[in-house]
Amino acid sequence: GQNIDQPTEMTATEGAIVQINCTYQTSGFNGLFWYQQHAGEAPTFLSYNVLDGLEEKGRFSSFLSRSKGYSYLLLKELQMKDSASYLCAVRDLRSYNTDKLIFGTGTRLQVFP
Amino acid sequence: DSGVTQTPKHLITATGQRVTLRCSPRSGDLSVYWYQQSLDQGLQFLIQYYNGEERAKGNILERFSAQQFPDLHSELNLSSLELGDSALYFCASSALGGAGDTQYFGPGTRLTVL
Repeated sequence: GQNIDQPTEMTATEGAIVQINCTYQTSGFNGLFWYQQHAGEAPTFLSYNVLDGLEEKGRFSSFLSRSKGYSYLLLKELQMKDSASYLCAVRDLRSYNTDKLIFGTGTRLQVFP
Repeated sequence: DSGVTQTPKHLITATGQRVTLRCSPRSGDLSVYWYQQSLDQGLQFLIQYYNGEERAKGNILERFSAQQFPDLHSELNLSSLELGDSALYFCASSALGGAGDTQYFGPGTRLTVL
């Protein structure tokens, strides 16, 4: 089966650091994505992890542990514009040339002044 | 702007009707994906096309169908519409549709079935 879990909502203060966790159980795994989605808008790509470890990209970092089926997205120096939903998605690659993303329901982050 | 375009932006129709959603991928991308996002639900993968051929299928209802044309644009056809089909429908594209590819999403079509 396939299951991706994220907290439904989180709140944080402007300038702070927040960590959004994602755990997954999938029958085939070939990488994990994080997307940001503002309400009613398209998801936008943030990061991709396929190997264990931390990937840093400006204020955003993403971590993956394949053995634990666990990832987190770390947002530093929070800004009001970071208020959005953050979607964890696992690439299900059961055959070489398909590319199906399984999305979690997303974590809605609210940043307060 | 991801470079993926979708039309129309909004669509309001009645139960039992049929609609067609259109997607143009980013320049150079060969693979197109369709997703459905209902209120308070995650993105549900519907179907993937690569260079005109169906490549992967998700939880797509039999009332729904899609195709990718020689110019690589794609259409999602929804028929016998029900109230529960009201959702945001996103199209995404990627270069090759395989390992290592990132999917870039279009702005979506908001479908309301009354």
